[in-house]
Amino acid sequence: DVKVTQSSRYLVKRTGEKVFLECVQDMDHENMFWYRQDPGLGLRLIYFSYDVKMKEKGDIPEGYSVSREKKERFSLILESASTNQTSMYLCASSLGDNNEQFFGPGTRLTVL
Amino acid sequence: GQYIDQPTEMTATEGAIVQINCTYQTSGFNGLFWYQQHAGEAPTFLSYNVLDGLEEKGRFSSFLSRSKGYSYLLLKELQMKDSASYLCASFRDDKIIFGKGTRLHILP
Repeated sequence: DVKVTQSSRYLVKRTGEKVFLECVQDMDHENMFWYRQDPGLGLRLIYFSYDVKMKEKGDIPEGYSVSREKKERFSLILESASTNQTSMYLCASSLGDNNEQFFGPGTRLTVL
Repeated sequence: GQYIDQPTEMTATEGAIVQINCTYQTSGFNGLFWYQQHAGEAPTFLSYNVLDGLEEKGRFSSFLSRSKGYSYLLLKELQMKDSASYLCASFRDDKIIFGKGTRLHILP
């Protein structure tokens, strides 16, 4: 079974803090994704990566950066957290472009 | 405009059949995913359609018409556990774009 894990289920941070969200998958998938999910807005793609050290901007990359130093690990970084980044963050991985994505359990981030 | 569109909410009765529609922009289109997401949980894969027609998987079926930019997810013999959000997602120009999801309520 594919397993995608995320470092925290719940996280509370203060405005201006640097925040790291980590995602690890154990099935040697090439592609990894970071989404945020907000009521009424659905899943929105922040960044994705097709290979180690490669990253591509999604639809809403502003205020975020990512790191993929190893194939199994994809990190999302909020350089200076703001209240409008309070959201559910979901990581996903897939074998190829048109393959199903496997999602992690999500991290609910609250920025105060 | 909207790349992908689906109804916000639907209600159906236990044991009945429900059809959830999804329309999408056809330019650059390669395939259409359906995911199920229970409240507070991550989405899980249901189906992926590339060719026109109906694909059946147990109580769930998914249909695609590429020329019309239209898909639907058909759920038969509804059970209370089918109460969830259903997300359609278009694989288009090498990117997957999710719709906002349809929240399905099942009444006993």
